[in-house]
Amino acid sequence: KQEVTQIPAALSVPEGENLVLNCSFTDSAIYNLQWFRQDPGKGLTSLLLIQSSQREQTSGRLNASLDKSSGRSTLYIAASQPGDSATYLCAVKRIGGYQKVTFGTGTKLQVIP
Amino acid sequence: EPEVTQTPSHQVTQMGQEVILRCVPISNHLYFYWYRQILGQKVEFLVSFYNNEISEKSEIFDDQFSVERPDGSNFTLKIRSTKLEDSAMYFCASSGTSQEKLFFGSGTQLSVL
Repeated sequence: KQEVTQIPAALSVPEGENLVLNCSFTDSAIYNLQWFRQDPGKGLTSLLLIQSSQREQTSGRLNASLDKSSGRSTLYIAASQPGDSATYLCAVKRIGGYQKVTFGTGTKLQVIP
Repeated sequence: EPEVTQTPSHQVTQMGQEVILRCVPISNHLYFYWYRQILGQKVEFLVSFYNNEISEKSEIFDDQFSVERPDGSNFTLKIRSTKLEDSAMYFCASSGTSQEKLFFGSGTQLSVL
C-alpha cells in the first residue's frame, strides 16, 4: 500500500527566502507525481506534474524534482512571497492502469512579510 | 482558464438523509473523480469514472455511495443515509486522459448533523 509522507508538516519563513518542501513515497512504481497548493477552505490547485520518466519540472519560481528510485520528490520555491502561504500537497499515481492518486500529509507554509 | 465547478459550496443535512453533490467537469475531459478530505486529514480517493462507468473505487466507496453522469456536462455523487462520519469536504476532479494532471473543483463542505 502506497504511503506518502511530507516533511516538515509546517514551515514558517521570512519573505524572500528560498525553501524546499519534501515528499517521500514508499512504492516507487509510480506513473507520475503531482504537486498541489491548497488554500484554506478552498480546492486544490495543480502546480506541477512530473512523469516517472522525468527528473524535474519548472514553472516560474517553482521547481519540482523526482528521484523515483529513492522514493523522493522536492518542491523548491525561490524568493518566497506572502502570497505563497498555503498548504502544499504532493500526490502520486501508481502504474498499472490505476486511476487513484494517493495524497501526502501536506506541508503548511507561512511566509512572513 | 477552464475550471471544475461544484455545487453547492456548503451542504448541511440531517443524519440518515440522502444528499447529492454536483460537479461540472472541464468540458473536454474524459476522466472524472471524487475525493474527500475530513477536517485535519489527508485527501482521500473515493472513485474514478470513465466512459460512463466506474473505473476504480476505494474501500470507502461502499453501497452508500453512487456516482452518475446524467447528461453530457454534470457528474454527481449521491450519498444515501448519511452518517456523522460522512462530514467532510468533497472534491470533484477531472482530467483529459488518465495520465494528465488533475483539475480540482473548490469543493462541497458537507456537514451531517
